Amino acid sequence: AQTVTQSQPEMSVQEAETVTLSCTYDTSESNYYLFWYKQPPSRQMILVIRQEAYKQQNATENRFSVNFQKAAKSFSLKISDSQLGDTAMYFCAFMKANAGGTSYGKLTFGQGTILTVHP
Amino acid sequence: KAGVTQTPRYLIKTRGQQVTLSCSPISGHRSVSWYQQTPGQGLQFLFEYFSETQRNKGNFPGRFSGRQFSNSRSEMNVSTLELGDSALYLCASSLQGGRTDTQYFGPGTRLTVL
Repeated sequence: AQTVTQSQPEMSVQEAETVTLSCTYDTSESNYYLFWYKQPPSRQMILVIRQEAYKQQNATENRFSVNFQKAAKSFSLKISDSQLGDTAMYFCAFMKANAGGTSYGKLTFGQGTILTVHP
Repeated sequence: KAGVTQTPRYLIKTRGQQVTLSCSPISGHRSVSWYQQTPGQGLQFLFEYFSETQRNKGNFPGRFSGRQFSNSRSEMNVSTLELGDSALYLCASSLQGGRTDTQYFGPGTRLTVL
């Protein structure tokens, strides 16, 4: 079974600064997908960024980028130029790549990191 | 394109009752997954439906069930409610639930069991 660990329950950052959220995972799979989701206080979960394990290049989406270290099973999220709207709970999630059986539609989530951006 | 919708947004029930929650996926999406979110257990996978068939199921008791209709809308049902069933129930839709699909979440249904 896969496990996802987010070791930082809470973090805070000043507006315009950079912050990095940590995530480690444990799996015996060689092919999988990793995600960061954001859940603002309104509760709508939003996809932030996604990484395919077979790609060596780290994914980026505007101010959001990841540092994917496959050998270390680490998947951190860097938020640059933090904005007040980035205040949310951030979840790291894992999905097996081989469709079928226990792979269908199942995301395994970490416990989340509450990020607060201060003005 | 409209997002994933869930109804109702809030529910209050008493122990022993049953409840049905509804989820309408993004148009064209055929896979619907359900998750339970609690402060203690975090986000846990309940089950996934595709083309009216349950393809995957998480580790929840049989009191939790679901179904999917031909228009891909999905419902989940919890029978004989317990206090511990109080949670935010999220559904997510994707094109086919396969390896390249990203899941898009609805706003959730907040269930309170008294």
